[in-house]
Amino acid sequence: ETGVTQSPTHLIKTRGQQVTLRCSSQSGHNTVSWYQQALGQGPQFIFQYYREEENGRGNFPPRFSGLQFPNYSSELNVNALELDDSALYLCASSLVQDWTFGSGTRLTVV
Amino acid sequence: AQKITQTQPGMFVQEKEAVTLDCTYDTSDPSYGLFWYKQPSSGEMIFLIYQGSYDQQNATEGRYSLNFQKARKSANLVISASQLGDSAMYFCAMREVSGGYNKLIFGAGTRLAVHP
Repeated sequence: ETGVTQSPTHLIKTRGQQVTLRCSSQSGHNTVSWYQQALGQGPQFIFQYYREEENGRGNFPPRFSGLQFPNYSSELNVNALELDDSALYLCASSLVQDWTFGSGTRLTVV
Repeated sequence: AQKITQTQPGMFVQEKEAVTLDCTYDTSDPSYGLFWYKQPSSGEMIFLIYQGSYDQQNATEGRYSLNFQKARKSANLVISASQLGDSAMYFCAMREVSGGYNKLIFGAGTRLAVHP
């Protein structure tokens, strides 16, 4: 079975720009969650998608948005990038509580 | 609100020795799940071990075991016979059920260095 794949692996953006991160879920998993991991910290829950709908959200502003597609892959979009958005963004797919994480996208905002 | 605390920013261990990574948690839910993940420098979160709040016995997975002390709200990870490849960040996490969905609450992590 395939694991979780995230793209790109690294990204550098300028403050104020918009960015889209992509995630393909593990075969058989119908739920995708996104986490933000700032340097030296544990991951923080951003939101979760199930059946193409957002069904849970953490303490992140609306400029963080997402999509889930019929094949359960997902996108994370961040508008109006700020310097504090620099972090490792992790995607996790799951069926119940069997989260499988990707290797993440490291976003640097300059 | 649920919370995970890892008080050891860094730990050192000699190869082939055992090491314990500490984790305490706070929750008012009677049903919860505790997880340990390993994060090497590549960034991927690798699942190691799971303990359910109603599990009677401590979880074990190969060289990993979880010392679950419910009354003390602690869920320490024990790695036996450490290997150089065990050098990584280790995160303790708790499953939180909120509004009909599950999410993970992570601690700040412990960096483990295994010395030859």
